Amino acid sequence: AQSVAQPEDQVNVAEGNPLTVKCTYSVSGNPYLFWYVQYPNRGLQFLLKYITGDNLVKGSYGFEAEFNKSQTSFHLKKPSALVSDSALYFCAVRDINTDKLIFGTGTRLQVFP
Amino acid sequence: NAGVTQTPKFRVLKTGQSMTLLCAQDMNHEYMYWYRQDPGMGLRLIHYSVGEGTTAKGEVPDGYNVSRLKKQNFLLGLESAAPSQTSVYFCASHKGPVGTEAFFGQGTRLTVV
Repeated sequence: AQSVAQPEDQVNVAEGNPLTVKCTYSVSGNPYLFWYVQYPNRGLQFLLKYITGDNLVKGSYGFEAEFNKSQTSFHLKKPSALVSDSALYFCAVRDINTDKLIFGTGTRLQVFP
Repeated sequence: NAGVTQTPKFRVLKTGQSMTLLCAQDMNHEYMYWYRQDPGMGLRLIHYSVGEGTTAKGEVPDGYNVSRLKKQNFLLGLESAAPSQTSVYFCASHKGPVGTEAFFGQGTRLTVV
């Protein structure tokens, strides 16, 4: 079965510093990977996705993600963090055999001024 | 264009009561999902649907039933609510298979006492 893992419950970073939120995946076949963000008391919002092509994917709000097939990772990154980036971030994978959309456990990003 | 709308937004139930959560989308999406979100456990898939008239079980289907009689609506039913079903429930939809991103509702906070 397809799955994703987010090894960090929380990531703390100072404003202006680069940030990384980690995600590793386990899939059979080609991976279809997504990042979503959840602000307090809101639903999830799509940030970016990897389907095929370039390993560096750019998304909303200045976020990007690097797909690494050899390390089975899809880490979310941003060159310079903002306090407003503080939120809960979810990695997800599409299981193409069952059409399920499977999420990781989430990583809380806290950006300090 | 309302996107994905969940009804109700909040509900308190007594153990053993029943209720139905409604998810409505106006984007003509084929795929619809119901998740529950619990602290430390991320989003867990309850049931999903790949088209009108179809439903399938997710990771945590016990205690829930669903129906997709109309393409735009996906109903989640609790026949006999239990305290373990206290959670925040999210509905999501997307247009097609594989690489399309999902859109989420605002969530329903359910408390079972």
